[in-house]
Amino acid sequence: SQTIHQWPATLVQPVGSPLSLECTVEGTSNPNLYWYRQAAGRGLQLLFYSIGIDQISSEVPQNLSASRPQDRQFILSSKKLLLSDSGFYLCAWSVPPNEAFFGQGTRLTVV
Amino acid sequence: AQTVTQSQPEMSVQEAETVTLSCTYDTSESDYYLFWYKQPPSRQMILVIRQEAYKQQNATENRFSVNFQKAAKSFSLKISDSQLGDAAMYFCAYRRGGGANNLFFGTGTRLTVIP
Repeated sequence: SQTIHQWPATLVQPVGSPLSLECTVEGTSNPNLYWYRQAAGRGLQLLFYSIGIDQISSEVPQNLSASRPQDRQFILSSKKLLLSDSGFYLCAWSVPPNEAFFGQGTRLTVV
Repeated sequence: AQTVTQSQPEMSVQEAETVTLSCTYDTSESDYYLFWYKQPPSRQMILVIRQEAYKQQNATENRFSVNFQKAAKSFSLKISDSQLGDAAMYFCAYRRGGGANNLFFGTGTRLTVIP
């Protein structure tokens, strides 16, 4: 069966520090991978999606970047965090046209 | 551009009663999929139900069913015999058929179940 792992679960980082959130998927090949952000009390905003290794598309301009060095690994990064980067980050995978399956999420607080 | 609208920020229902959550969407596509996701306090996103646009029959999953009105671009979720464990945020989502087909989410409806 397929599983998705996302870590860390919580993270508190100072403004200006770097960020690396990692997501890995098991049990499937060549999935579509996604990074979403959920601000407090709001819906999910798509940040990045990837249809293959080194194929990343950004949905919104921002302080973040994403990379997919391996088929089932998706990394969300920032060189210098801003206060506005605080939020709940969710990684997801899907094999279209099926539904997306989500990781447990990372609660990021930038202080 | 695809948009998903959930006009009910909050809803409440008595335990064992029925509640309907509303969702409308805007698209020019003919091939698409619609989903309802549940996000409990743990914040794990859990798929509740899915509907293929080409299917006329409304999807059902145990106590959960949808009312899919394609012409009206409406996709409501009905929860029957509500249970305390149904309390959560519920998100409606849209996906275009084919390609990378990203999921577009509504802003969510917070459902409270009153014992």
